[in-house]
Amino acid sequence: GAGVSQSPSNKVTEKGKDVELRCDPISGHTALYWYRQSLGQGLEFLIYFQGNSAPDKSGLPSDRFSAERTGGSVSTLTIQRTQQEDSAVYLCASSSPAAGNTIYFGEGSWLTVV
Amino acid sequence: GDSVVQTEGQVLPSEGDSLIVNCSYETTQYPSLFWYVQYPGEGPQLHLKAMKANDKGRNKGFEAMYRKETTSFHLEKDSVQESDSAVYFCAPPSGAGSYQLTFGKGTKLSVIP
Repeated sequence: GAGVSQSPSNKVTEKGKDVELRCDPISGHTALYWYRQSLGQGLEFLIYFQGNSAPDKSGLPSDRFSAERTGGSVSTLTIQRTQQEDSAVYLCASSSPAAGNTIYFGEGSWLTVV
Repeated sequence: GDSVVQTEGQVLPSEGDSLIVNCSYETTQYPSLFWYVQYPGEGPQLHLKAMKANDKGRNKGFEAMYRKETTSFHLEKDSVQESDSAVYFCAPPSGAGSYQLTFGKGTKLSVIP
């Protein structure tokens, strides 16, 4: 597609439930990133993929968080047993050396855990 | 890893004031520097970039000079407008084989009309 697409745009879930957030990067972009942004805060790096592999998972806050990428394209961020502190906007982004390494962000998935 | 330090918190200039938002980085290994801007309710987007030392990035009246000797990439504007109000993020240097992972903490620009 023309831009990075994320779904759902909004998700309200009960504490303890699992959620999946999906990201469709820009076609041909080899790098894909997940960030978390709490209200009024900065960009917290979670994980990035180069192709289907994740060289850096250092930002995942706990083992309840996992992510995968398949076919060098779509990525899914999964949060298990959600907690209220997981409430935030989850931003996906992609980039490519061929595109000058500029990071292109999606509009984000707003997660609210009640 | 690569990192940046930028002016934190909120900046409250009046319309027509000049602006400088500081950004300093630690590495000179990679050639390109970026500023991103985030408007309310949207994801961040590229604001301007400089591809090598001594280059100047420009966009919407904003400028940033890539100064290798002082490892800085400060964002400047002579006369801010209310429409410039947003959060600005400085990104660490990047290039082929590197990835921008840790952004600056963000500077919220709120221009007083």
